[in-house]
Amino acid sequence: AQSVTQLGSHVSVSEGALVLLRCNYSSSVPPYLFWYVQYPNQGLQLLLKYTTGATLVKGINGFEAEFKKSETSFHLTKPSAHMSDAAEYFCAVRPNSGGYQKVTFGIGTKLQVIP
Amino acid sequence: EPEVTQTPSHQVTQMGQEVILRCVPISNHLYFYWYRQILGQKVEFLVSFYNNEISEKSEIFDDQFSVERPDGSNFTLKIRSTKLEDSAMYFCASRDGTSGAGEQYFGPGTRLTVT
Repeated sequence: AQSVTQLGSHVSVSEGALVLLRCNYSSSVPPYLFWYVQYPNQGLQLLLKYTTGATLVKGINGFEAEFKKSETSFHLTKPSAHMSDAAEYFCAVRPNSGGYQKVTFGIGTKLQVIP
Repeated sequence: EPEVTQTPSHQVTQMGQEVILRCVPISNHLYFYWYRQILGQKVEFLVSFYNNEISEKSEIFDDQFSVERPDGSNFTLKIRSTKLEDSAMYFCASRDGTSGAGEQYFGPGTRLTVT
């Protein structure tokens, strides 16, 4: 069984400020972890993923996330927010075995960037 | 860059009618999925499909739902008799079979409105 908890359904930051979106997961087997972004009226775009190896992963648009097994967390960060980062962000998990394994999503965090 | 496509982008139907949502996965992908997102809620897994059969399905995917890969390129989701609560954004996704860590690529979604 697996689940994802995203703390904060809405987060507001000023342009240029640090972005921190929190994600905690629960998984009965080692997980693969993902962050997806959804812009208004668009589909889900992969920002970054953790599979194995380095626990700090870098993604597109300057985002990165760190897998912390001891804390079961995979928080998403960006040093300096840009207006174009305003979107909804979904943390997701799937087991690291079984090719057809489903992805379980968190409820999403809407990021607002204030000029 | 290859992408998953979905048609139509928006479908309006009356309760009790049948609808077919269409997806064209990325051409060399082997695993196919449908997810849905009711407005304001999280993205939920519906079904996964591999080797021309359903691999896994959720509780949501009852007898009213079916999937098919009719011609080796399209992947369809049929809802036989739509209910008001079927109104949602439906996402198709596909994944290749070359790596267990491969992510799922999502289409832009079909917004289904049942009146």
